[in-house]
Amino acid sequence: AQTVTQSQPEMSVQEAETVTLSCTYDTSESDYYLFWYKQPPSRQMILVIRQEAYKQQNATENRFSVNFQKAAKSFSLKISDSQLGDAAMYFCAYRSRPGNTPLVFGKGTRLSVIA
Amino acid sequence: DVKVTQSSRYLVKRTGEKVFLECVQDMDHENMFWYRQDPGLGLRLIYFSYDVKMKEKGDIPEGYSVSREKKERFSLILESASTNQTSMYLCASSVPGLNSPLHFGNGTRLTVT
Repeated sequence: AQTVTQSQPEMSVQEAETVTLSCTYDTSESDYYLFWYKQPPSRQMILVIRQEAYKQQNATENRFSVNFQKAAKSFSLKISDSQLGDAAMYFCAYRSRPGNTPLVFGKGTRLSVIA
Repeated sequence: DVKVTQSSRYLVKRTGEKVFLECVQDMDHENMFWYRQDPGLGLRLIYFSYDVKMKEKGDIPEGYSVSREKKERFSLILESASTNQTSMYLCASSVPGLNSPLHFGNGTRLTVT
């Protein structure tokens, strides 16, 4: 079974600084997708960014980018110019084929942003 | 925008009660999911459904059942609530596709006393 590991239960970052959240996964599949979700205190889970395993170029969405290392099965999230609104739980998730397969989530990293 | 609506934000029930958690999505999504979220355990899949009247067990289905009589509605049922089912319950929906993201509701925090 596929597993997703987030080794940092909690992280903190100063406002305007950069922070990296780690995620590793275990799979024998070659075609899959990886996702990062954000859950602020309001509880609404929001998609932050996603990456296809076959794409070598790392995905970027504004201040959020990933470092995808397929051979190492690593999918870290980098948040640049951290803002107070970035404080949230962050979950890494994985899906392999077929496309109806549910997402497998990691246990999450709680990010605090210090003013 | 996709909207996934969970009928209750907070719910308090007694041990042994039958509990219904309702979820409705407005974007004609084929797939619907129920996850349970607990501190330190992340999101764990309870049940999911690819289509009306079909269901698949997830990782922790014991003590739960589901119903999907209409495409837009996916109900989670706790047949006889127990204190270890006190948790946050998240409903999500999606279209089929490897890259298709899940769209989540706001969650129901259930307390069983």
